[in-house]
Amino acid sequence: QVQLVEFGGGVVQPGMSLRLSCEGSGFMFRRQGMHWVRQAPGKGLEWVAMIWFDGSDRQNADSVKGRFTISRDNSKNTVYLQMNSLRAEDTAVYYCASFLGDNSAGYFDRWGQGTLVTVSS
Amino acid sequence: QSALTQPASVSGSPGQSIAISCTGTGSDVGSYNLVSWYQQHPGKAPKVIIYEGSKRPSGVSDRFSGSKSGNTASLIVSGLQADDEADYYCCSYVGGNTWVFGGGTKLTVL
Repeated sequence: QVQLVEFGGGVVQPGMSLRLSCEGSGFMFRRQGMHWVRQAPGKGLEWVAMIWFDGSDRQNADSVKGRFTISRDNSKNTVYLQMNSLRAEDTAVYYCASFLGDNSAGYFDRWGQGTLVTVSS
Repeated sequence: QSALTQPASVSGSPGQSIAISCTGTGSDVGSYNLVSWYQQHPGKAPKVIIYEGSKRPSGVSDRFSGSKSGNTASLIVSGLQADDEADYYCCSYVGGNTWVFGGGTKLTVL
């Protein structure tokens, strides 16, 4: 069964940290770039971060630069998002998505079900 | 990395056609033919319907089509059906291995 499953969401206080995980199965995880996309309650999609298939490049959106770090472990078919110095505006459903294509040309072909992160005191 | 501009809402009757615009700048939509479109039903994860401006993934209805002119990409949905009622998002590559989404458009089938 082809799927992506996210773990690790929850409620955290501002300034705290949280690590999200996303495990892929049923496809060649190690051959695809992976991304995190978030959606604040009632709002639109926001691209957050990406990592190449082999981890050799990774990028973040300006809104999370310096606070969030994406990484992957291809031996575990898992991509991670380490989120530090969390703010109320980081409250969102976080989706992981696989990218089908060559670097920039392509699209997000598979999405997880999403995991909710709530930053609140 | 400013969000691409989409209309907040569009509507149409069953069988009609509608278009959703996605306006960026010369640094994103205008520089790359790498706009994709995603359909999202309430409580569900997004699903790709158009990529690289006008290509359809396998299994996506040919009622969905895409185009681009200058800094604006467009999604056309023809022969509207009840199940087309959803939120639609455009997404563009913006260079440096970064992407940006549009604000989203709610499509209502009357």
